Formats: sequence, structure tokens, C-alpha cells
Amino acid sequence: NAGVTQTPKFRVLKTGQSMTLLCAQDMNHEYMYWYRQDPGMGLRLIHYSVGEGTTAKGEVPDGYNVSRLKKQNFLLGLESAAPSQTSVYFCASRPTSVSSYNEQFFGPGTRLTVL
Amino acid sequence: AQTVTQSQPEMSVQEAETVTLSCTYDTSESDYYLFWYKQPPSRQMILVIRQEAYKQQNATENRFSVNFQKAAKSFSLKISDSQLGDAAMYFCAYRNTLPDYIFGTGTRLKVLA
Repeated sequence: NAGVTQTPKFRVLKTGQSMTLLCAQDMNHEYMYWYRQDPGMGLRLIHYSVGEGTTAKGEVPDGYNVSRLKKQNFLLGLESAAPSQTSVYFCASRPTSVSSYNEQFFGPGTRLTVL
Repeated sequence: AQTVTQSQPEMSVQEAETVTLSCTYDTSESDYYLFWYKQPPSRQMILVIRQEAYKQQNATENRFSVNFQKAAKSFSLKISDSQLGDAAMYFCAYRNTLPDYIFGTGTRLKVLA
């Protein structure tokens, strides 16, 4: 199993450009999450999904859109990138089984810089 | 709203010594889960230890143990026999019946040789 993978690992954008971050998991997990990590602020939830075709807003959703067309993929889109979106982005997934202790499995992160 | 507070931005410990990282949280729920994640320089988030709120016994994983005080809403992590590989950012996290997790701001642990 590859676990949770993220594409790309690094990206530099100019203000106003758009891009899509791809998260893929091969563990058949129902729940998937997108976080951003900024110095001194920990991980903040952007959007999450509780199943194929469903998404919900997290703590900091503005400027981002997401889609979960397939169970194994969760896409994060930036329509018009801003310097404030410079961050490290993490995708995570978890199963719904109670016996799993609800552990989240994280991807390796994507470092995004917006100039 | 639930919150998670890690009041120690940075901690240092001598190799082979013991260190305790603090975490407090605020919730009105009675059933929830608490986690400690480690983030080494590689950026990969690694689960260290987890605790279910209804279990009174403190969780232990090898050199890592927690002191869970439900009434005080405290969930500290103790690392015994610290090793150089323990140097990392440590995040405390909370989750109840909702799908989303709440993370603290992290504590950077330095291990001195």
C-alpha cells in the first residue's frame, strides 16, 4: 500500500494563478481532509469529505474549493492564488471503523509558495 | 467550540532524560479521542499515541506515555529515555463524534546530546 500520496510535493505560483492539488489514498477510507500548516498556527482544517460526492467546509475554507468525485481521490483547488495561501498543505484520510481508534493517516505534504 | 492549547512553543531535553509536553483542551463533550502526533524534519505526520476519553487508564507506547486528566481537561505526553530521533514538532489533537480534528499549535522538542 502506498498509503496517502500528494501531488505535487512543491509548487511556486504567481498571484492570480490557479492550481489543483491531488490527494490519493489506497486504503478505502471514507473520510478525507485537507489541512494547511503555518508557523505557530498548527494544522488548520480547510475542507473535508465524509464520502464520495460529499464535501464540507472546515475552519479556513475561503479561497479554496474541493471535489471528491472518486472515493480514493480528494482534490484541493485554488482558483486565484494569493500570497496568504503560501503554506504547507497536508491531506489526510481515516476509516470509519471503530476498531481503528479513528487514526488519521497523513500524506507527505505539499509546499506551496505564492509570489 | 472546542479548542486545544499547547502552551510550550519549544522544549529541550538531554539525551536519555525524561521530558513532558503539555496539552489542554476545552470541550463540553464526554466522549472524545485525544492524539499526539510527531512531525520530524521530513514533515511526515506520525501518530505517537492515542487515548479514548472513556478509558481511565493512561495510554502507553514503549517510551511514550500520557497523563490524561479528564476533569482538568489535560493530556500531557511524557517521553522517557529521550533519543536524538525524538527531536521533532509534536502536535496534540482532539476529535469527538464530528468528523473533523482540532490540532494545537505544536511544541518543538530539541534533544541535546
